[in-house]
Amino acid sequence: GENVEQHPSTLSVQEGDSAVIKCTYSDSASNYFPWYKQELGKRPQLIIDIRSNVGEKKDQRIAVTLNKTAKHFSLHITETQPEDSAVYFCAASLYGNKLVFGAGTILRVKS
Amino acid sequence: DTAVSQTPKYLVTQMGNDKSIKCEQNLGHDTMYWYKQDSKKFLKIMFSYNNKELIINETVPNRFSPKSPDKAHLNLHINSLELGDSAVYFCASSETLGQGAGYTFGSGTRLTVV
Repeated sequence: GENVEQHPSTLSVQEGDSAVIKCTYSDSASNYFPWYKQELGKRPQLIIDIRSNVGEKKDQRIAVTLNKTAKHFSLHITETQPEDSAVYFCAASLYGNKLVFGAGTILRVKS
Repeated sequence: DTAVSQTPKYLVTQMGNDKSIKCEQNLGHDTMYWYKQDSKKFLKIMFSYNNKELIINETVPNRFSPKSPDKAHLNLHINSLELGDSAVYFCASSETLGQGAGYTFGSGTRLTVV
């Protein structure tokens, strides 16, 4: 079955800097890769996703890149703000069925 | 107008008791899930239902029994609760299976077994 590894487990950045979180997956058949943000005590919320027929996707300050050959994908957050502080999860699946999540990255943005 | 709602939000109970968590979605989605988030924040799938049919049943103790009376509802019943069952349980839903859409999560149920 699918296995997703996520790094780093914690990330501290200064406000205004960029943050990058990386994930690798094991099943080459996986074709759907969403990212979720979970604030303390809240539900995970979808912030961006990418499908395997696309190499990069951007939405304002966040972007995701996918390298199918290497089986890894990354989340990039530019111009970080204190409200970006949260736990971020990557996930992988085949067509969105049975999302397998990474272990999460705690992002702290220091002002 | 909450899209995926779970009740209760908090549940504190003694070992050995039986408890249920209810989930309802008003998004018209066909597929619903139960995920368990442990103390280290790891999210692990437990069950998935598509249009009331069980399609994913991970290696979960058979003390856990999901039930889907219709495609808008997915409940989770837990028998003989153990300390290790303490976690946050999230219900989620997604569009038609195979479409590659993201999940919408409920607000979670924090279960504490004492």
